[in-house]
Amino acid sequence: KNEVEQSPQNLTAQEGEFITINCSYSVGISALHWLQQHPGGGIVSLFMLSSGKKKHGRLIATINIQEKHSSLHITASHPRDSAVYICAVAMDSNYQLIWGAGTKLIIKP
Amino acid sequence: NAGVTQTPKFQVLKTGQSMTLQCAQDMNHEYMSWYRQDPGMGLRLIHYSVGAGITDQGEVPNGYNVSRSTTEDFPLRLLSAAPSQTSVYFCASKRGLGYGYTFGSGTRLTVV
Repeated sequence: KNEVEQSPQNLTAQEGEFITINCSYSVGISALHWLQQHPGGGIVSLFMLSSGKKKHGRLIATINIQEKHSSLHITASHPRDSAVYICAVAMDSNYQLIWGAGTKLIIKP
Repeated sequence: NAGVTQTPKFQVLKTGQSMTLQCAQDMNHEYMSWYRQDPGMGLRLIHYSVGAGITDQGEVPNGYNVSRSTTEDFPLRLLSAAPSQTSVYFCASKRGLGYGYTFGSGTRLTVV
């Protein structure tokens, strides 16, 4: 069983739709990261969460520590949001990350 | 402020050759790491360093060496390249625990 599970694996939506990507994990963590990998391959860190909710522009990330679950939301989605979104968790006092397999998001105009 | 710089961007090696992938950061980050990304799989940690002079193995260290003689540089050495090492390699750094990661643009390595 993977320690970090993302869903869905693939998601295609129309421009303007509200997007939700989910991440569940089975280990105790100190932080959870959301990252974005562009079609060209570059990886960008979006959020680091240890509790609650964070917002940056049209992106919102939430985490429920008790339920071991996090969600990444994109409001008013745009074709430029098309990318692979990756969830990764850091275990207690540890720099190392356990990575999810990623969610490939395609936003059609 | 260049962030994390990886060189080269592309490389083709013959089986048995050795080479060094370079990674440099100018943000005074204490933590640096190397990952490989293979199709259909998540990133896998090869080696990491929590400061100059300190390195440790990650999930898939076999066939790779690292050193951290300065805070800025963290080169990854392939000792004797094998086709199984064909992958995209990413270097990442962070200031410390509680901070996000900054990734390099990646090196696409093909071993033939």
